[in-house]
Amino acid sequence: QKEVEQDPGPLSVPEGAIVSLNCTYSNSAFQYFMWYRQYSRKGPELLMYTYSSGNKEDGRFTAQVDKSSKYISLFIRDSQPSDSATYLCAMRETSGSRLTFGEGTQLTVNP
Amino acid sequence: DAMVIQNPRYQVTQFGKPVTLSCSQTLNHNVMYWYQQKSSQAPKLLFHYYDKDFNNEADTPDNFQSRRPNTSFCFLDIRSPGLGDAAMYLCATSRVASADTQYFGPGTRLTVL
Repeated sequence: QKEVEQDPGPLSVPEGAIVSLNCTYSNSAFQYFMWYRQYSRKGPELLMYTYSSGNKEDGRFTAQVDKSSKYISLFIRDSQPSDSATYLCAMRETSGSRLTFGEGTQLTVNP
Repeated sequence: DAMVIQNPRYQVTQFGKPVTLSCSQTLNHNVMYWYQQKSSQAPKLLFHYYDKDFNNEADTPDNFQSRRPNTSFCFLDIRSPGLGDAAMYLCATSRVASADTQYFGPGTRLTVL
């Protein structure tokens, strides 16, 4: 069983839709949770970072962490064609720097 | 403005012919990482340097080696590339080992013929 599970999609939505991206994990020691966005043929860029459980909002993006369910989500409001990319969840334990990534969800926002 | 730079962006090599990928950073970060990412898969950590201390992941093949001659540069050497080594190779940095943010370069896409 993989430590982090992420639905690979692909996910296709119309412009303006609300997008929900999700990951589940099995390692209860994970404390830091991140979402990276990766455009085609580019490196991942950090989009959101959350520590432990809770919500974090940044513009059109909201990250949620539910540690009791070992479930994290990224919501994108008013999605735009420029949001079309692969979204990777990543997480790590308190100590050390090793990130464990999900496989990524490919999102297409259609104009 | 580029913070993590990888060269070349595209590399083609022949089966068994050694190849070196390069990464440099302008962030003065202590930690540098090399990841392998195959199509539609999660990035897989190969190894990382905390300053000059080398940390190898247990399942990184012996075919992969790394060098960090100074803070700014890190190299990935693939001694005898096989067809299964074709992938995107991502370099990343972080300020310290426990830092949350890893900054990624654009990657080098390796093709093995």
